[in-house]
Amino acid sequence: DAGVIQSPRHEVTEMGQEVTLRCKPISGHDYLFWYRQTMMRGLELLIYFNNNVPIDDSGMPEDRFSAKMPNASFSTLKIQPSEPRDSAVYFCASSPGTFGYTFGSGTRLTVV
Amino acid sequence: AQSVTQPDIHITVSEGASLELRCNYSYGATPYLFWYVQSPGQGLQLLLKYFSGDTLVQGIKGFEAEFKRSQSSFNLRKPSVHWSDAAEYFCAVGGIQGAQKLVFGQGTRLTINP
Repeated sequence: DAGVIQSPRHEVTEMGQEVTLRCKPISGHDYLFWYRQTMMRGLELLIYFNNNVPIDDSGMPEDRFSAKMPNASFSTLKIQPSEPRDSAVYFCASSPGTFGYTFGSGTRLTVV
Repeated sequence: AQSVTQPDIHITVSEGASLELRCNYSYGATPYLFWYVQSPGQGLQLLLKYFSGDTLVQGIKGFEAEFKRSQSSFNLRKPSVHWSDAAEYFCAVGGIQGAQKLVFGQGTRLTINP
């Protein structure tokens, strides 16, 4: 198994632009999580899905952030418009339940 | 407030020395407890987890952790560290109100002196 695959690995964009981060979970995992990691705030859960349905989006910072999971093998996290304070490493993780999380390698986003 | 606390932001130990990383949580019931390790530029890898039963849990890479209910703690230990153990370590709790999500501590950065 290739694990959780995130793309791109690095993204540099200008303030105001739309950014889309992508995640392919491990096949058979029913849960998918999006986390954001910054020096100041550590690892924060943004949103998680169960069987493609959003369960908890209370960590999504504001309306500029949106996440979708159109099918069991793909999820996106979109930021529109992006701001410099959105600069962070964004992790996707998947799990079959029972907390067997597998994390992707992350996307490092820089907004200038 | 409900939280996970890792009191030490940065710890430096010599190679071969013993290690203990601290973790405390404040939740009404005993949550599920986890330790993860993150190497630079990488995602998080699970070291060990505690759900119930024996309070001393063995993990990968020679790590162990002990759950102490009276202290609301779940400290990570290793008898003898190797240079390759240098990384960031995260304590996490899960199962709060039955939810599948994990809540992470702020992390402890471990540096190994040769």
